[in-house]
Amino acid sequence: GAVVSQHPSWVICKSGTSVKIECRSLDFQATTMFWYRQFPKQSLMLMATSNEGSKATYEQGVEKDKFLINHASLTLSTLTVTSAHPEDSSFYICSARDGLQYNEQFFGPGTRLTVL
Amino acid sequence: GESVGLHLPTLSVQEGDNSIINCAYSNSASDYFIWYKQESGKGPQFIIDIRSNMDKRQGQRVTVLLNKTVKHLSLQIAATQPGDSAVYFCADGYFGNEKLTFGTGTRLTIIP
Repeated sequence: GAVVSQHPSWVICKSGTSVKIECRSLDFQATTMFWYRQFPKQSLMLMATSNEGSKATYEQGVEKDKFLINHASLTLSTLTVTSAHPEDSSFYICSARDGLQYNEQFFGPGTRLTVL
Repeated sequence: GESVGLHLPTLSVQEGDNSIINCAYSNSASDYFIWYKQESGKGPQFIIDIRSNMDKRQGQRVTVLLNKTVKHLSLQIAATQPGDSAVYFCADGYFGNEKLTFGTGTRLTIIP
């Protein structure tokens, strides 16, 4: 149980295009989902917290107009990287909190984004 | 945890030996601590957690030690196996608040 999936697992796009990444909780309802970014050989940096049915809360320094987050249902959150540039190339990881296990977050497998 | 930049500490351990991975955290108010394992190209996997009212907690082959005085956390892995090779991250936060701060990470390599 407590499986989180991400799609796609990797994507290559041209500079200036937008890319959408999906995060799904497969066997539980996630009231809260988190989006992280991880550069090579670095730690996970929290980008935003997404609550179902409300606007996401972004961490300082993260552009909300560039990284659009939608959490339309209890099992799906999406992150759209708009007008992507090479510096946006990174490993994007989502996690979801099971409302029954208050503090435990379950992580997705990550999405590798490469912007050419 | 403290994310201090590009240098990922590494630790090499002979298979079957015990390993100890250390982590420093900066927020003295944190009361919840977690260790994650991340294999290459995958998301973090929960290993073990501990709350601030404890200084030691044991799981299967793993033990977490918490020293709040010096804001230090350690993960002990007993009888290491090749499958233990991964990057290990500590994370800290507040129990009841979902936000976590991840540490730098340590790459553990098990030598056959």
